[in-house]
Amino acid sequence: GENVEQHPSTLSVQEGDSAVIKCTYSDSASNYFPWYKQELGKGPQLIIDIRSNVGEKKDQRIAVTLNKTAKHFSLHITETQPEDSAVYFCAASSNTGNQFYFGTGTSLTVIP
Amino acid sequence: DADVTQTPRNRITKTGKRIMLECSQTKGHDRMYWYRQDPGLGLRLIYYSFDVKDINKGEISDGYSVSRQAQAKFSLSLESAIPNQTALYFCATSARRGTEAFFGQGTRLTVV
Repeated sequence: GENVEQHPSTLSVQEGDSAVIKCTYSDSASNYFPWYKQELGKGPQLIIDIRSNVGEKKDQRIAVTLNKTAKHFSLHITETQPEDSAVYFCAASSNTGNQFYFGTGTSLTVIP
Repeated sequence: DADVTQTPRNRITKTGKRIMLECSQTKGHDRMYWYRQDPGLGLRLIYYSFDVKDINKGEISDGYSVSRQAQAKFSLSLESAIPNQTALYFCATSARRGTEAFFGQGTRLTVV
């Protein structure tokens, strides 16, 4: 089955700096890669996703890049704000698979 | 109202007791999932269901059972709770393979 690894497990940045979270996957059949943000006391919510036919996707301060050859994808948050502090999960799934495979999460702290 | 609702939100139970966690959704999705979240381990799949007559085990199904009472309802039961089942439990839904998962707010379960 799929194995998704996520790094780092914790990340602290100063407000206004950029944050990068990286994930690798093992199954070449995976073709959908969502990123979820989990705030304290809440369930994970999708913030951005990318499909394997695209190399990069942006949404305001958030971007995701995908390298299919190397089987890794990354979340980039620019101009970080205190409200970006949360746990972020990457995931992988496929059109033929039955489930999502999640990374172990990154706890991001933005220091004002 | 939330699209995916979990009850209860918090529960403390004693070792050996049977407990049921309930999930209902208004998104009209056929696919429903139960995940368990532990610190440093991310989200691990317990069971999933693609319709009322379809139930499948995930990677950590031992000690758990599920019931899909209707398209909108998916319950998770711990037959005889044990302390290492203390965790945060999430229900999720998705429309089809390779699309976004929508999570409930979670149930924090403590087994003493």
